[in-house]
Amino acid sequence: AQKITQTQPGMFVQEKEAVTLDCTYDTSDPSYGLFWYKQPSSGEMIFLIYQGSYDQQNATEGRYSLNFQKARKSANLVISASQLGDSAMYFCAMREKRVSGGYNKLIFGAGTRLAVHP
Amino acid sequence: GEEVAQTPKHLVRGEGQKAKLYCAPIKGHSYVFWYQQVLKNEFKFLISFQNENVFDETGMPKERFSAKCLPNSPCSLEIQATKLEDSAVYFCASSQLGTRGASYNEQFFGPGTRLTVL
Repeated sequence: AQKITQTQPGMFVQEKEAVTLDCTYDTSDPSYGLFWYKQPSSGEMIFLIYQGSYDQQNATEGRYSLNFQKARKSANLVISASQLGDSAMYFCAMREKRVSGGYNKLIFGAGTRLAVHP
Repeated sequence: GEEVAQTPKHLVRGEGQKAKLYCAPIKGHSYVFWYQQVLKNEFKFLISFQNENVFDETGMPKERFSAKCLPNSPCSLEIQATKLEDSAVYFCASSQLGTRGASYNEQFFGPGTRLTVL
């Protein structure tokens, strides 16, 4: 069964430093996608970055990069040069490709609360 | 529209009352997903639609929950006889067939409806 594990309930980082949020996953399907979402205290879900299981390179989007280690089944999010506005909950999620076609639901981890200190 | 719209923003119901939530997906998106987020953490998948057809309903508590996506109308999620444990934020997300690859297809989330059952 699909599973996403985020082992860090809370993390803190000093402003302008980099931080890594851990995510490991479990799936038997060779075709899947991994997503990171940010949820600030206001509650909305903001898409950050995506990594496909067949992508050859690690995904990057501005200050966000994904450290994808397929053999270890890990997809850690790296935020460089942290800003105060990065303080939020961060969710890792996975979706498997449906054999019969179409797009499956997202399976979410429990989330990591990041606090950026000035 | 360019954003997923959800109404109402907040909904308060007495235990045993009915609750109805609405979601307007992004125009052109053919998939709609409903998730329940309890206590700002755990996301639980409820149901998904491909256009007006139920795609996956494995997460729905079928005794009291029902959902529809009819043409030219917002999608709806209805809870008959609400219980205290139904208190949560209900997110709707929509997506379209992606061009980047089989597992891509980002899900765009609405702002959520906070349901409080007293």
